[in-house]
Amino acid sequence: DVKVTQSSRYLVKRTGEKVFLECVQDMDHENMFWYRQDPGLGLRLIYFSYDVKMKEKGDIPEGYSVSREKKERFSLILESASTNQTSMYLCASSLWQASYEQYFGPGTRLTVT
Amino acid sequence: GQQVMQIPQYQHVQEGEDFTTYCNSSTTLSNIQWYKQRPGGHPVFLIQLVKSGEVKKQKRLTFQFGEAKKNSSLHITATQTTDVGTYFCAGRSNTGNQFYFGTGTSLTVIP
Repeated sequence: DVKVTQSSRYLVKRTGEKVFLECVQDMDHENMFWYRQDPGLGLRLIYFSYDVKMKEKGDIPEGYSVSREKKERFSLILESASTNQTSMYLCASSLWQASYEQYFGPGTRLTVT
Repeated sequence: GQQVMQIPQYQHVQEGEDFTTYCNSSTTLSNIQWYKQRPGGHPVFLIQLVKSGEVKKQKRLTFQFGEAKKNSSLHITATQTTDVGTYFCAGRSNTGNQFYFGTGTSLTVIP
């Protein structure tokens, strides 16, 4: 079974803090994705990566950065957290290209106070 | 930018009734995927459609991809309480490598 794990299920941070969200997949997938999920807005893509050290902006990259130093790990970084970044963050991976099914992690619910 | 909209946003049905959610894209899609997210869970892949006019079935679930490849639907026959959750479509643009998720339809099944 493909397994995608995320470092925390729940996280509370203060405004202005630097926040790291980690995602690890164990199936040697090429593609990895970071989404945020908000009620009524569905899943919105923040960044994705199709290879180590490669990254592409999604629909809402502002205020976020990513890092992919190893194939299995994709990190989302909030340089200076703000209250409007309070959300559910979901990481996903897929075998190759976006045509393959995406496997999601359990999600991290981030609250910024 | 590309948008994928789903209707309705919420649907409450009595157990045994049918349910349909519709997915509409502003641009042509190369394929479409459907995912289900149970309450408190994460999205789980259900199926992918690729061909224009394609219809696929999984037990009580029927998935269709429109002829113009700009819309899709998911129909559930005789809903059960296990069908509760949010259903998302996700379409891949025919000009790029990115998937665009729909806004989701939250299904509640009343026993």
